Amino acid sequence: DQQVKQNSPSLSVQEGRISILNCDYTNSMFDYFLWYKKYPAEGPTFLISISSIKDKNEDGRFTVFLNKSAKHLSLHIVPSQPGDSAVYFCAAPRRWGGADGLTFGKGTHLIIQP
Amino acid sequence: DAGVIQSPRHEVTEMGQEVTLRCKPISGHNSLFWYRQTMMRGLELLIYFNNNVPIDDSGMPEDRFSAKMPNASFSTLKIQPSEPRDSAVYFCASSLAGRGRVETQYFGPGTRLLVL
Repeated sequence: DQQVKQNSPSLSVQEGRISILNCDYTNSMFDYFLWYKKYPAEGPTFLISISSIKDKNEDGRFTVFLNKSAKHLSLHIVPSQPGDSAVYFCAAPRRWGGADGLTFGKGTHLIIQP
Repeated sequence: DAGVIQSPRHEVTEMGQEVTLRCKPISGHNSLFWYRQTMMRGLELLIYFNNNVPIDDSGMPEDRFSAKMPNASFSTLKIQPSEPRDSAVYFCASSLAGRGRVETQYFGPGTRLLVL
């Protein structure tokens, strides 16, 4: 049973506009969330994370928002650039600390249109 | 830093054959993870090791799958015998696990397995 869900398999956004990728989770015990980015023929790479004690974390063009009451988080990319075209995975540690692996959503394929 | 190294990058085999996937984690990392990516199930954790000891293999789909970590710099994932439904991309990841923090996992490039 998927505890982390990304309901949009793909998203197309024009270059320069904002990309918003969404993620929902069912396990209220999750206290940390991560976003990974994956290009074809490469492994996922860490992008940004957020602790449940925060509701926002920003790193350059990337901002993650967490709404604990709704069990929802989102990744905002502003402005979107062609190099942002990739598959984005939302993930959470299976248990506190993360030492025993991550549970992932199925990913959203972001396509930035020129 | 060379990152996580996986071999082979691609493997095509026939049903019933034994397949061995290899992984070299980042030097100094003490946790190693094997994940599998399929269209149907996305990225799922198969097994993980901490300090070379298997901790949780509940994600291993069947007894046909086995994994070992004989030392801190090498791990294998073996499928014997292989079946067409094992076709997927297999990722190895490593991290430096520590008490009280979530450490980023670093992924290898993956092995794309096709079982005919």
